[in-house]
Amino acid sequence: AQKVTQAQTEISVVEKEDVTLDCVYETRDTTYYLFWYKQPPSGELVFLIRRNSFDEQNEISGRYSWNFQKSTSSFNFTITASQVVDSAVYFCALSEAHKAGTALIFGKGTTLSVSS
Amino acid sequence: DVKVTQSSRYLVKRTGEKVFLECVQDMDHENMFWYRQDPGLGLRLIYFSYDVKMKEKGDIPEGYSVSREKKERFSLILESASTNQTSMYLCASSPGGGGATNEKLFFGSGTQLSVL
Repeated sequence: AQKVTQAQTEISVVEKEDVTLDCVYETRDTTYYLFWYKQPPSGELVFLIRRNSFDEQNEISGRYSWNFQKSTSSFNFTITASQVVDSAVYFCALSEAHKAGTALIFGKGTTLSVSS
Repeated sequence: DVKVTQSSRYLVKRTGEKVFLECVQDMDHENMFWYRQDPGLGLRLIYFSYDVKMKEKGDIPEGYSVSREKKERFSLILESASTNQTSMYLCASSPGGGGATNEKLFFGSGTQLSVL
């Protein structure tokens, strides 16, 4: 069965610190997709990234970067030089994509608080 | 931009009432989903639909039903609301086709339901 674990429930940092949010997943499939979503205080989840299981290249988007390692079943998310606006709940999610009629499974989320 | 609209942001109901949560998307998406979000539990899938009149149970369907009579609208029904159904309910959609769920989800702003 598929599972996503975000071991960090809450993280607090001061502005400009770097922070890494951990995500470990479990799946028996060779084809799957991993996602990160951000939920700001307004409540609406916002898509950040999607990565398929065949692409282990790390990705950088501005202050955000993602490290995908199949060997450790991890898909970690790093924010460089954090800002107050980064305060949100962040969710990692997994989809076993080849199965019709399945849905995205989310981790329990990590609440990030960035103080000024 | 894709818009997923949930009819109410806040809702207060009495135990035993029949409750309808409505969700409408405006981008002709095939897939629609209902999740509930609870502190410490993350997002849990209740039901989803990958076609009109089609529905699939998620991880926690007990006490809920759904209706999808038109492509753009996906309703979540609490047949007899109970206090343990007090939660944030999130609707989402994705383009889909064939039940594919490897796409990003577009979320509504959520409905905070309180059952007294």
